[in-house]
Amino acid sequence: GQQLNQSPQSMFIQEGEDVSMNCTSSSIFNTWLWYKQDPGEGPVLLIALYKAGELTSNGRLTAQFGITRKDSFLNISASIPSDVGIYFCAGLDNTNAGKSTFGDGTTLTVKP
Amino acid sequence: DAGVIQSPRHEVTEMGQEVTLRCKPISGHNSLFWYRQTMMRGLELLIYFNNNVPIDDSGMPEDRFSAKMPNASFSTLKIQPSEPRDSAVYFCASSESDTQYFGPGTRLTVL
Repeated sequence: GQQLNQSPQSMFIQEGEDVSMNCTSSSIFNTWLWYKQDPGEGPVLLIALYKAGELTSNGRLTAQFGITRKDSFLNISASIPSDVGIYFCAGLDNTNAGKSTFGDGTTLTVKP
Repeated sequence: DAGVIQSPRHEVTEMGQEVTLRCKPISGHNSLFWYRQTMMRGLELLIYFNNNVPIDDSGMPEDRFSAKMPNASFSTLKIQPSEPRDSAVYFCASSESDTQYFGPGTRLTVL
């Protein structure tokens, strides 16, 4: 089946630093999604990408849909303590009733 | 909108007991997903429904697991009999297009 390779698995950074994480796949996706899971909660959508090459920002977050449609990255600028959590990428091929393939997640720790 | 509602939020049970997890999706959403999350295996898709019909249950670990969606506003995930290795957080999510909206999860502990 489809698999996403998400990296890094975990990150420990200082408050104020920038963060970058990415996802790669052997399959093409038509939509890339980035979710964040706060401790004790379910994942929540951060950014959705619909076109190859698309670059989208949401506040301090920026995500890009790779040209090959097999990868995506998420950047967080000037990290703050509340950025702590698990970040998941997800790919959608629009052929499976909205089913997304999720990456294994990147656990982010921000030290004040 | 209340979002996806899951109950119970926490469940502690003994090995061999039957466990039933419940989910109310967001009104109007036509797809519903059940996930299991553990430290070792991450977020795993167990089963998903579209218009109340199970589409893919290949992620259901064993026959001890079963899921139903009798109508558009309710779904259950049942484990019978439960085992300690079933301990995890179980999430329900619903969607009407590409974005999935997750519930708060049920933390299951099987002793």
